[in-house]
Amino acid sequence: NAGVTQTPKFQVLKTGQSMTLQCAQDMNHNSMYWYRQDPGMGLRLIYYSASEGTTDKGEVPNGYNVSRLNKREFSLRLESAAPSQTSVYFCASSEQWNTEAFFGQGTRLTVV
Amino acid sequence: AQTVTQSQPEMSVQEAETVTLSCTYDTSESDYYLFWYKQPPSRQMILVIRQEAYKQQNATENRFSVNFQKAAKSFSLKISDSQLGDAAMYFCAYRSRVGADGLTFGKGTHLIIQP
Repeated sequence: NAGVTQTPKFQVLKTGQSMTLQCAQDMNHNSMYWYRQDPGMGLRLIYYSASEGTTDKGEVPNGYNVSRLNKREFSLRLESAAPSQTSVYFCASSEQWNTEAFFGQGTRLTVV
Repeated sequence: AQTVTQSQPEMSVQEAETVTLSCTYDTSESDYYLFWYKQPPSRQMILVIRQEAYKQQNATENRFSVNFQKAAKSFSLKISDSQLGDAAMYFCAYRSRVGADGLTFGKGTHLIIQP
């Protein structure tokens, strides 16, 4: 039972480089989410996808783009990485709005 | 927009004792869900307990229980018989019953268990 799988687990980027964080879930959930976690800030929502084919901005979307590739996969792209995007990124999914979210293991991203 | 406040950045408790973590939230909605998540050093987010706002009875999961005060918008977590494995960051989270825009988290409380 894999649940929510994120790749990679760690990444170091240079300022201006681009990369895509991958996320896949095998629980047949409709909704998927990307959060970032910074020290002392809790988790903040970047983007979410309520269902396949839809995406919406969360609290901190600037500098990011997302793609809901299919029901299983939801990717997060940094087009031109900045040091302010150094963070731990979590992907999550849920079946319906009234259930808890299941989280991936997180990606620690450092932008130098 | 909803906000979630955890006023205790860090708490410490002796092993086997009881500790309570505080959480308050602000919302204009009457129906919603509240959660406590645990994040150990492994970074994995683990659901500890959930509470539906329309239920007056406080949720309980083994050694974990909540004190849900809807009028006061308070949702505290009580951990009884604390164990070394309880050491972690604990996050309080809110989810609206309307829409699918995810969880709103507090900033977390770092729980230390003293052996």
